[in-house]
Amino acid sequence: GESVGLHLPTLSVQEGDNSIINCAYSNSASDYFIWYKQESGKGPQFIIDIRSNMDKRQGQRVTVLLNKTVKHLSLQIAATQPGDSAVYFCAEKLGAQKLVFGQGTRLTINP
Amino acid sequence: DSGVTQTPKHLITATGQRVTLRCSPRSGDLSVYWYQQSLDQGLQFLIQYYNGEERAKGNILERFSAQQFPDLHSELNLSSLELGDSALYFCASSPVGGRSYNEQFFGPGTRLTVL
Repeated sequence: GESVGLHLPTLSVQEGDNSIINCAYSNSASDYFIWYKQESGKGPQFIIDIRSNMDKRQGQRVTVLLNKTVKHLSLQIAATQPGDSAVYFCAEKLGAQKLVFGQGTRLTINP
Repeated sequence: DSGVTQTPKHLITATGQRVTLRCSPRSGDLSVYWYQQSLDQGLQFLIQYYNGEERAKGNILERFSAQQFPDLHSELNLSSLELGDSALYFCASSPVGGRSYNEQFFGPGTRLTVL
């Protein structure tokens, strides 16, 4: 079915540490998996995507890992900063244009 | 600033009423998407338009409708409003084609409160 879920609703990390946000998905037919960030009072913002035939993709301070065997997606943020505080959503692309979003994980940064 | 604008920012209305939410996409983007974000349902895709035509439909109720005009702005019409329709409504836009659909640019949202 169409279902993207998150393991943890909240994650608290120390500033400067690495953050790992996890996501489980159920639809094996998705051709892309995507991470979005939503800061308080704003709309979601694209972070990074990964094609389903890849297992790792790196961006600026972020890395997305895809494990299709266990249908698991993760977002790693290096050297977490206060500006990284937000809700992070994973999403999968179904069909040509439809994105199905997970419930979100709230990341808070401790000074 | 994503370049996507939405009006109004806040809307308070009563059950049974009808409202219209407006969205202007980024300059040059032909695709417009509407999403509903509520506490219990998360971010739900409602509908997508591409250059004036409906392209994809999600969990959109029959009481809701949308359209995209020749100047590419879009409107989401919500009628016979119920308490459960209270939510944030986001509009997003993206350029043409393929992988670019992954990166959607979201507006600031319209917060609808139905009393």
